[in-house]
Amino acid sequence: GQQLNQSPQSMFIQEGEDVSMNCTSSSIFNTWLWYKQDPGEGPVLLIALYKAGELTSNGRLTAQFGITRKDSFLNISASIPSDVGIYFCAGQVAGGTSYGKLTFGQGTILTVHP
Amino acid sequence: DVKVTQSSRYLVKRTGEKVFLECVQDMDHENMFWYRQDPGLGLRLIYFSYDVKMKEKGDIPEGYSVSREKKERFSLILESASTNQTSMYLCASSIMGQGDYEQYFGPGTRLTVT
Repeated sequence: GQQLNQSPQSMFIQEGEDVSMNCTSSSIFNTWLWYKQDPGEGPVLLIALYKAGELTSNGRLTAQFGITRKDSFLNISASIPSDVGIYFCAGQVAGGTSYGKLTFGQGTILTVHP
Repeated sequence: DVKVTQSSRYLVKRTGEKVFLECVQDMDHENMFWYRQDPGLGLRLIYFSYDVKMKEKGDIPEGYSVSREKKERFSLILESASTNQTSMYLCASSIMGQGDYEQYFGPGTRLTVT
């Protein structure tokens, strides 16, 4: 299947710090989504992006759909302990059949020290 | 709120057993998906379905089959479980059409095959 490269693989930060993570691909995407997975739970949708260049916020979270349509970024400002979890990017590749299929990145494991 | 439920949170089975994982969604979604999640590999699509009795292979269908007899229910079947199928299994659903890339996940089933 298609490849999404998500980085960094893991982050250890202090409470209050800002966080940045990104996903890149060699393919063009029509849609980018960011999910968060709490320990022992299923992923929860944080932000969905549908247009190149789009910048969308959800509280302390901000995500951008890259202009080239091959990348996306997620920023978390002023991190708190409950931000701990795995963050996944996901995208829908341009062209081809869909039925809502997504390609997922490998995930970024975020640890926040109080 | 969309609710996706999975029949078991934890399951332990022996090699060679037939295993059924059940998923039910209550939002009348057309699309349903089965993923497995392994550390460092993200979410990999096993099978998906866009309508009752319709199924499509994902990226890693070998060793699995699925059944969708009712719109709200999507079952994953391991005909003869093997130790390399020990993993976290996640079910998701999405609406057909506008926003169909916004998938909603269940809590997951952690399967151990001994």
